[in-house]
Amino acid sequence: GQNIDQPTEMTATEGAIVQINCTYQTSGFNGLFWYQQHAGEAPTFLSYNVLDGLEEKGRFSSFLSRSKGYSYLLLKELQMKDSASYLCAVMDSNYQLIWGAGTKLIIKP
Amino acid sequence: DAMVIQNPRYQVTQFGKPVTLSCSQTLNHNVMYWYQQKSSQAPKLLFHYYDKDFNNEADTPDNFQSRRPNTSFCFLDIRSPGLGDAAMYLCATSREAQGATSGANVLTFGAGSRLTVL
Repeated sequence: GQNIDQPTEMTATEGAIVQINCTYQTSGFNGLFWYQQHAGEAPTFLSYNVLDGLEEKGRFSSFLSRSKGYSYLLLKELQMKDSASYLCAVMDSNYQLIWGAGTKLIIKP
Repeated sequence: DAMVIQNPRYQVTQFGKPVTLSCSQTLNHNVMYWYQQKSSQAPKLLFHYYDKDFNNEADTPDNFQSRRPNTSFCFLDIRSPGLGDAAMYLCATSREAQGATSGANVLTFGAGSRLTVL
């Protein structure tokens, strides 16, 4: 079966750095997405990786290793507004999105 | 601003009373999706339209139906809501479903419709 694994919850301190990991097993691969979802709101797109390596976008970076079926989202200079769930999703060979259950990130002052 | 708009944001219904949720988009995207999301769970795809082609997920209950009368609008009909159907319903759009290129297949979500079943 197809599977996306990410930690259920993480806690970090304002101003610090946090890395949210995602491992996947899917039928084929056509890219990996990270979305941010604040409580009670819709997901918003953060990043897309289809080639191995690091994609940097401001305070957020996303890394992909296709051979390891692994990605991480790195958040720097954490702000209280970064408290949210972070969803990892992989597009399989049929261009279907397989979603993880999300990692709830709690930022403490 | 181009966007995806869902109505209503909050819907309360009684057990068994039909509900219709609507979604409109000004992005001119050819793919529209309906997801169901329960608390702390991954979004679950119910169905999607690629232009006018309707694609139903195998495990979507018959209780859920959808209509896409034109490119801009899509509706989700829940014929007889049960307590287990209480959830956030998310509409999303994307530029295309296949032939992934940079920027394509990124989903733009509406704000969601939260359904409560009494």
